Amino acid sequence: ETGVTQTPRHLVMGMTNKKSLKCEQHLGHNAMYWYKQSAKKPLELMFVYNFKEQTENNSVPSRFSPECPNSSHLFLHLHTLQPEDSALYLCASSSPPGGLDTQYFGPGTRLTVL
Amino acid sequence: KQEVTQIPAALSVPEGENLVLNCSFTDSAIYNLQWFRQDPGKGLTSLLLIQSSQREQTSGRLNASLDKSSGRSTLYIAASQPGDSATYLCAAPPYNQGGKLIFGQGTELSVKP
Repeated sequence: ETGVTQTPRHLVMGMTNKKSLKCEQHLGHNAMYWYKQSAKKPLELMFVYNFKEQTENNSVPSRFSPECPNSSHLFLHLHTLQPEDSALYLCASSSPPGGLDTQYFGPGTRLTVL
Repeated sequence: KQEVTQIPAALSVPEGENLVLNCSFTDSAIYNLQWFRQDPGKGLTSLLLIQSSQREQTSGRLNASLDKSSGRSTLYIAASQPGDSATYLCAAPPYNQGGKLIFGQGTELSVKP
């Protein structure tokens, strides 16, 4: 596979469930990002990882827990979510961190919280 | 705090028209200005990236300009086609905020055959 892949593409979960989103990039990048896209709102940056280290947490509630075991993989662990957390979750990667180069986005995971 | 605004929110044009999408930003201290395309329910595809020292970038029928002094960027699409129908997003990474892209809300473009 090439580019940035995300699994699953669609996820429906109850408020008491625990689930994880997975992102994998095949571009040799060292920075990875999680974004949230809610209806009628701009994309919101959630987390930034650079060389596996978290460099940005944009005041995200603790019910979202990121994990970056290596520069190619990024996870978002979800637990006790709220219905307002329903959104499209996008993963991205880039080569130099700091916004100097474009970010490459995955197709997203459409999350619905019941 | 950087804010990015896009006008209009939605645009419908007949096939073949030339069109301009607008993006404005409040803080001119940016590394670059990027334009993305998003198809319904999909991820983002990078279209053009203009470095802060540049005035414009071109790719095929697309031309993006950047005027830092006025805090504006435009995306010009020539001879629009139905396949151009999508949401177009602009984004700017502020200086000293590594990796943080600030996005506008997007312009939803519909090109009618």
